[in-house]
Amino acid sequence: DGGITQSPKYLFRKEGQNVTLSCEQNLNHDAMYWYRQDPGQGLRLIYYSQIVNDFQKGDIAEGYSVSREKKESFPLTVTSAQKNPTAFYLCASSIRGGSYNEQFFGPGTRLTVL
Amino acid sequence: AQSVAQPEDQVNVAEGNPLTVKCTYSVSGNPYLFWYVQYPNRGLQFLLKYITGDNLVKGSYGFEAEFNKSQTSFHLKKPSALVSDSALYFCAVGGGLTGGGNKLTFGTGTQLKVEL
Repeated sequence: DGGITQSPKYLFRKEGQNVTLSCEQNLNHDAMYWYRQDPGQGLRLIYYSQIVNDFQKGDIAEGYSVSREKKESFPLTVTSAQKNPTAFYLCASSIRGGSYNEQFFGPGTRLTVL
Repeated sequence: AQSVAQPEDQVNVAEGNPLTVKCTYSVSGNPYLFWYVQYPNRGLQFLLKYITGDNLVKGSYGFEAEFNKSQTSFHLKKPSALVSDSALYFCAVGGGLTGGGNKLTFGTGTQLKVEL
């Protein structure tokens, strides 16, 4: 997990609320990623950013939003439009964009909708 | 579109025996292939990758993987399993003709259980 922190570790949300998951890295990496992990489905890409002030939708972006105002930070907001947000969320970074670079993962945030 | 298949949900092996976790992929063009390991309630840890060159790739903790282009496979292996190797293993693919859009596609994971 070294160099990437995610907070909080556990998060509970009521239906209709927006929540923001934090991701910070001190690896001086250009690229950052958000994944969602559900049992038996592996990891699915939500959003990714190759550089500050730029980001792209992944495979399941609906109901999520991100910002990349600083190189070190890539927060993810789970909006009320996300119909099934209960999942384990993983943030990752790589030295640069490009799928040949290995990604380094944070410890994850487990989100539960009450 | 690129895809990864991990055909076994779970692999059981006795400590000291060799282990294999299977992965096959589909991508147009040259693949970039990765193995990651995940312990309970933790993030993923990088084990090894194949980009180009020698088909046998050596990684962390004694793991290795062999790239087989004709069979489109990238199986993870270890000569002698340890109980501490018990974890969830993910194969991932990127690359392709368009570079995969800078994205990795992950398999659904294989739970490895090493027993005494």
